[in-house]
Amino acid sequence: QLQLQESGPGLVKPSETLSLTCSVSGDSISTSRSHWGWVRQPPGKGLEWVGNIYYYGRSVYYSPSVQNRLTISVDTSKNQFSLMLMSVTAADSAVYYCARHIAYTPFDSWGQGILVTVSS
Amino acid sequence: DIQLTQSPSFLSASVGDRVTITCRASQAISNYLGWYQQKPGQPPKVLISAASSLQSGVPPRFSGSGSGTEFTLTISSLQPEDFATYFCQQVKSFPLTYGGGTKVEIK
Repeated sequence: QLQLQESGPGLVKPSETLSLTCSVSGDSISTSRSHWGWVRQPPGKGLEWVGNIYYYGRSVYYSPSVQNRLTISVDTSKNQFSLMLMSVTAADSAVYYCARHIAYTPFDSWGQGILVTVSS
Repeated sequence: DIQLTQSPSFLSASVGDRVTITCRASQAISNYLGWYQQKPGQPPKVLISAASSLQSGVPPRFSGSGSGTEFTLTISSLQPEDFATYFCQQVKSFPLTYGGGTKVEIK
C-alpha cells in the first residue's frame, strides 16, 4: 500500500528557506505512472496546488504564485521528493501535503500533512 | 489558468437530505475533474475522478456528473459521516486548480 510522509521544520523565519521532504513507501518514486506533488492549505482555508514532479518524464511544474521561489526535486536513492521554497513570508504559512497522482487524475494518495508557520 | 467556481460555499442540511454541489470551470476541461472530501485534521480523500467515476470504497450515495465547464457532486442521502468540506479540482492542465470548497454542516 502506498504511503507518503512529510517531514521538516514546523517553524521558519521570514525571508528564510522552507525545506520539506516526502518519504514514499509502497511504490518507486521513479515509476512511469506516478506523478508527485505538493499541495498546501492555510489554516481554515482552501487547497492550493504548489507544484509537481514527474521523475520518469524529467518534468517539473510550479504554481505561478511561487514559481520564482520554488524547487521540487527527487532523491531516488531514498525514494523521496523534496520542496524548497525560498524567501518565505507569513503568506506561506500552511499545512503542506505531499501527494501522488496518475496523469489527468486527482491525487489519490496523500501524506498526513505538516503544519509550517512562518514567524520570527 | 483554469478557474473553478464552486457553489454553494456553505450548505446546511439534515441526515437523509439530497445534496448537490456545483463546480464551474472558466474554460472547457472535458471530464478532467475530481472531487474530494476533507474532514478536520485530515488530508483530502478523493471521491470521484474523471467527473463521474466513483473511487474504490466510496459509498454509492456519492455520484458525479458533467462535462466541459459544469459539474456536479450529488450525495443522494446525507449520512452523519458526510458532514465535511468538499473540493473540486481540475486535472486537465497545469497549474492544477481547486474550487473554493463547500462546507456541509448539520442543520
